Amino acid sequence: EVQLVESGGGLVQPGGSLRLSCAASGFSFSSYGMNWARQAPGRGLEWVSYISSSSSPIYYADSVNGRFTISRDNAKNSLYLQMNSLRDEDTAVYYCVRALPRGISGPGFDFWGQGTLVTVSS
Amino acid sequence: DVVMTQSPLSLPVTLGQPASISCRSSQSLVYSDGNTYLNWFQQRPGQSPRRLIYRVSNRDSGVPDRFSGSGSGTDFTLTISRVEAEDVAIYYCMQGAHWPRTFGQGTKLEIK
Repeated sequence: EVQLVESGGGLVQPGGSLRLSCAASGFSFSSYGMNWARQAPGRGLEWVSYISSSSSPIYYADSVNGRFTISRDNAKNSLYLQMNSLRDEDTAVYYCVRALPRGISGPGFDFWGQGTLVTVSS
Repeated sequence: DVVMTQSPLSLPVTLGQPASISCRSSQSLVYSDGNTYLNWFQQRPGQSPRRLIYRVSNRDSGVPDRFSGSGSGTDFTLTISRVEAEDVAIYYCMQGAHWPRTFGQGTKLEIK
């Protein structure tokens, strides 16, 4: 069974930093691209970042480019999101989302974690 | 960026009746490989999103056959043939043909 379990969310002050983690199991993590997506309270879904199975290429939404860094450790079946210079508008539930295997076109988004809440507030 | 526009944003439906949600993209979602990358998701209250449909019309495993997707190019539709109580949720379309990936605003389905 595919499982994606996010952790690392919490309350942080504007300008602060936070690192999210996603532990993957039930599939060959090293073969799949991965995404982060987010959902502000009471709002819709927003894609944040993508990393391929080999860590290149990487893509970011304009809203986080230059502040967030996505990375992965295939030996640990883990995905990460380093978030710096956090703003009020980054407050959201952050989801780890599976993409597709290497060599397969398309977005995937077939499995989502339960999400971890990040609150940016003074 | 590709703008995804859903309508309606609120959809009151009587149990057992059909429901349709429209999703229009500002650019064609036909990728260079000839496939059209348009997904539909369901998000029930308090839950994570769940993919229902991929590549316009392919149902994911476990999705009831009352859900169907159709469309082409820039114009797509999610149809529920007979709405059940468990279908109360927000439905999102998402394009996967271009970067950045973009979602529609969401359509809230409720029982009338």
